[in-house]
Amino acid sequence: DGGITQSPKYLFRKEGQNVTLSCEQNLNHDAMYWYRQDPGQGLRLIYYSQIVNDFQKGDIAEGYSVSREKKESFPLTVTSAQKNPTAFYLCASSQTGTGGNQPQHFGDGTRLSIL
Amino acid sequence: AQSVTQPDIHITVSEGASLELRCNYSYGATPYLFWYVQSPGQGLQLLLKYFSGDTLVQGIKGFEAEFKRSQSSFNLRKPSVHWSDAAEYFCGGGNNDMRFGAGTRLTVKP
Repeated sequence: DGGITQSPKYLFRKEGQNVTLSCEQNLNHDAMYWYRQDPGQGLRLIYYSQIVNDFQKGDIAEGYSVSREKKESFPLTVTSAQKNPTAFYLCASSQTGTGGNQPQHFGDGTRLSIL
Repeated sequence: AQSVTQPDIHITVSEGASLELRCNYSYGATPYLFWYVQSPGQGLQLLLKYFSGDTLVQGIKGFEAEFKRSQSSFNLRKPSVHWSDAAEYFCGGGNNDMRFGAGTRLTVKP
């Protein structure tokens, strides 16, 4: 079955450490997205990519970085510059690159915590 | 600013009762609108979507939503709630980008 796989499910970060969250999709979707979810704040867009080798900042990109070297993969790195990284991170993909006119398909998320 | 708003943070209904979750949008043109459901520790699952045409949209799990342009609303409804419907519900929408509401947590009383 096609879908989006996020790994790991749980991740712990030490102070000053960079960590990378994996997101892989086999839906053949062009666009991929990373969201951060905090209680009571819904989903906030971190980065999105409409095509391979291209990506744009979302609303809260500071302290994060991404790459899109393959259509199937869109890893997110939480850098040491992100001072409050504890959250639930969701990866999504959609059929086209415009973002607003196609439903997004979501992975099961990665919960990141500070040690 | 373009946005999607869910006015209710938390709603409690009895099992078997009807349900309506509110969603309002603020866009110049009619946006594409979606409802998603999220179980604890899981990703979001699409319930239904509205692009154009018939303003009453049927979705999965017995849910439906009605687009009302005059009220800038896209409320989600279910005639009879089951205990398994307890979850968080998100309304989303956009023209060129997707915006999500803050979510409504649904509790179902036995």
